[in-house]
Amino acid sequence: DIQMTQSPSSLSASVGDRVTITCQASLDINNYLNWYQQKPGKAPKLLIYDASNLGTGVPSRFSGSGSGTDFTFTISSLQPEDIATYYCQQYHHLPITFGQGTRLEIK
Amino acid sequence: QVLLQESGPGLVNPSETLSLTCTVSGVSVSDHYWSWIRQSPGKGLEWIGYIYYSGSTTYNPSLKSRVTISLDTSKNQFSLRLSSVTAADTAMYYCARSVSIFGEGWFDPWGQGTLVTVSS
Repeated sequence: DIQMTQSPSSLSASVGDRVTITCQASLDINNYLNWYQQKPGKAPKLLIYDASNLGTGVPSRFSGSGSGTDFTFTISSLQPEDIATYYCQQYHHLPITFGQGTRLEIK
Repeated sequence: QVLLQESGPGLVNPSETLSLTCTVSGVSVSDHYWSWIRQSPGKGLEWIGYIYYSGSTTYNPSLKSRVTISLDTSKNQFSLRLSSVTAADTAMYYCARSVSIFGEGWFDPWGQGTLVTVSS
């Protein structure tokens, strides 16, 4: 299975900060990498697909980049409603696998 | 608007079969791929498998021997059966639409999830 390693596991930042999360794949996955946001008690929500494409209705402060094995997810200006856990997911190799998650808190 | 809703027993006895149904509204199940995903504190998010309207399925090899996903186009539903469950199968189970031209892709949207506990 492809291992997806997210860093950091948790992160504390202030409103307005630029926040960056990384995701590393154990093998080349081209750009077949997606990002999700999960708020407490809720299902995950798609934010970014194919590494850099914004999902429908997703605010433009969210962005993604990368290809191959190294990917980055960025929130350009952190808002209070962005408090959640963020997951990456690859689909280049079956089985589909997810990262372990990055918990984002407000400082 | 595409909506998904999981339903089924919240408690299953060890060694028995877990059965869940996902009811889809806003789109026909005949037009997309559909997946089951589960989430537990110990294993995080785990993709279980997906089904296409043709009935073709693809499963996670780690669960393949115990999993069956099926489709009921007349009810616009798809279902999950997981046999011989143990405590390790205790998790929140989600259904989701798989968006891609060939099954693997991204999941959007997701159902709200249903918690299944395996215990006697």
